Amino acid sequence: AQSVTQPDIHITVSEGASLELRCNYSYGATPYLFWYVQSPGQGLQLLLKYFSGDTLVQGIKGFEAEFKRSQSSFNLRKPSVHWSDAAEYFCAVGGTGTASKLTFGTGTRLQVTL
Amino acid sequence: GAVVSQHPSRVICKSGTSVKIECRSLDFQATTMFWYRQFPKQSLMLMATSNEGSKATYEQGVEKDKFLINHASLTLSTLTVTSAHPEDSSFYICSASARSGTDTQYFGPGTRLTVL
Repeated sequence: AQSVTQPDIHITVSEGASLELRCNYSYGATPYLFWYVQSPGQGLQLLLKYFSGDTLVQGIKGFEAEFKRSQSSFNLRKPSVHWSDAAEYFCAVGGTGTASKLTFGTGTRLQVTL
Repeated sequence: GAVVSQHPSRVICKSGTSVKIECRSLDFQATTMFWYRQFPKQSLMLMATSNEGSKATYEQGVEKDKFLINHASLTLSTLTVTSAHPEDSSFYICSASARSGTDTQYFGPGTRLTVL
């Protein structure tokens, strides 16, 4: 069975500081990995995804993530956080095919202090 | 591109009534749509997967007679919560995968259901 662990429930960083959100996954085959962001009361917006190829993936809003197969990790990073980045971040793992289910982590709430 | 809408965004209903939530892919054809439920400050729980023109596949523990899903076209899926009760109050989110097979789910903005 596939699973995702986001060890940090809540993270607070200062505006301008760097950010790393952790994600570990368990999946029996080559995983498809995603990071989504959710603002309060809103749906999820795709930040980036990894299917294959270059293990460093660039996404929107200046985010990037690195797939490390040996560590079963897909951590999200941003070099300089903006106050508008405050939101809930979800890591998800899925398989191949359009009908593939996504399994989400429990999310990490990011708070940004000015 | 890849925009998914949901309607209504908020709904309040009385206990015992039924509520229908629509999920539309606006600029692409969605072979598969997914329905999730999210409790406050929690992650998304997949309720069911629906493919256009066929019956939905429900996750374990989800009552198919209570949560009716219809996926009549490549751009529309509906979730009907029948005989709603206060414990059905939640945030319901749909997502859609494009026919092109990119394996990426695009999410709607969600529907907040409150059952009084």
